[in-house]
Amino acid sequence: NAGVTQTPKFQVLKTGQSMTLQCAQDMNHEYMSWYRQDPGMGLRLIHYSVGAGITDQGEVPNGYNVSRSTTEDFPLRLLSAAPSQTSVYFCASRAPRGQLEAFFGQGTRLTVV
Amino acid sequence: KQEVTQIPAALSVPEGENLVLNCSFTDSAIYNLQWFRQDPGKGLTSLLLIQSSQREQTSGRLNASLDKSSGRSTLYIAASQPGDSATYLCAVDTGRRALTFGSGTRLQVQP
Repeated sequence: NAGVTQTPKFQVLKTGQSMTLQCAQDMNHEYMSWYRQDPGMGLRLIHYSVGAGITDQGEVPNGYNVSRSTTEDFPLRLLSAAPSQTSVYFCASRAPRGQLEAFFGQGTRLTVV
Repeated sequence: KQEVTQIPAALSVPEGENLVLNCSFTDSAIYNLQWFRQDPGKGLTSLLLIQSSQREQTSGRLNASLDKSSGRSTLYIAASQPGDSATYLCAVDTGRRALTFGSGTRLQVQP
């Protein structure tokens, strides 16, 4: 099992550029979520999804869009990158019942200049 | 709004020492609590998950306890080793299908 796969691992963007961070899981998990991690602030929830076609906002959604067309994939789109979006981004997935453990990808380190 | 606090923020101990990491949360209506380990530049690795009906979980040298009524969890690490050096994060599930995290405790075990 690959688990949760994020691409790319590193990215540098110029202010105003857009990009998509990819996240895929092969565990057939219904629940997926995106977090950002900044120094001294822990992980903060950006968006989450409880199944294909269903998404909702988390704590810090501004500047980000998501969609969930399949169970496996949950891409995060930065519409117009800003320096404040420099961070490490993590995608996670878990099942809604049974094994409740959350699994995380290795992260995408994004720098906006 | 659920808030999760971890104390201490950083901890340095000599090898072999037993240690306790603390996690507190403001809303006791949680479904479960999960402890993670994060190595520098890496993702999060799940260590233990305690469901709301449980009091503790054990895995090897790790033991996590949960007291929902007081909003507290502890992670006990026995006989610490240099390989235990990492940041430890706790996270609570309050039923929003995503987790609320503490800021973590950065642990350094000196050989």
